[in-house]
Amino acid sequence: AQTVTQSQPEMSVQEAETVTLSCTYDTSENNYYLFWYKQPPSRQMILVIRQEAYKQQNATENRFSVNFQKAAKSFSLKISDSQLGDTAMYFCAFMKHVATGTASKLTFGTGTRLQVTL
Amino acid sequence: GAGVSQSPSNKVTEKGKDVELRCDPISGHTALYWYRQSLGQGLEFLIYFQGNSAPDKSGLPSDRFSAERTGGSVSTLTIQRTQQEDSAVYLCASSPPDLLAGYNEQYFGPGTRLTVT
Repeated sequence: AQTVTQSQPEMSVQEAETVTLSCTYDTSENNYYLFWYKQPPSRQMILVIRQEAYKQQNATENRFSVNFQKAAKSFSLKISDSQLGDTAMYFCAFMKHVATGTASKLTFGTGTRLQVTL
Repeated sequence: GAGVSQSPSNKVTEKGKDVELRCDPISGHTALYWYRQSLGQGLEFLIYFQGNSAPDKSGLPSDRFSAERTGGSVSTLTIQRTQQEDSAVYLCASSPPDLLAGYNEQYFGPGTRLTVT
């Protein structure tokens, strides 16, 4: 079974600053995917970024980037130039690689509430 | 295009009553998932469907919980004899059949907030 741990229940950052959210996971799988999801007050889960475990290069999406350390089972999210619209809950999630024609569940951490302030 | 929709948006029910939560996936998506988000918790997997069959229902917390999917589309999650600990947001997600990437991107609905009084 997989577990995902987010040890920061709440974080705060000033607008335009950079913040890093931490995530660690535990798995015996070798092929898997890691995700960061954003959940604003509307409750809609929005995919922020995805990392394939077989890729050494860290994923980036505009202001969002990850630091993926496979050996340490660590997957942190860096948000640069924080904006007020980044205020939300952020969830780290794990999915194991699936064969074609099948599907797999996401295993989530407990989330980090991020507040961006003026 | 239309995203995943869920109804009702909010539901208040009395302890002991049965409730049905509905999920309309994105058209053409073959896989459908139910998750539960309790206060202060992450999302907890309940069940997933591939077409109309449920290969993995390991997350259903008790036999009071059941789900079905008909016509490979709409799904209903039913909770019988609701208890206060069932209070949570129930989220549904769907994913398309293209699995060339080895994973299935899940698109989430806005959830149903269930309150059991």
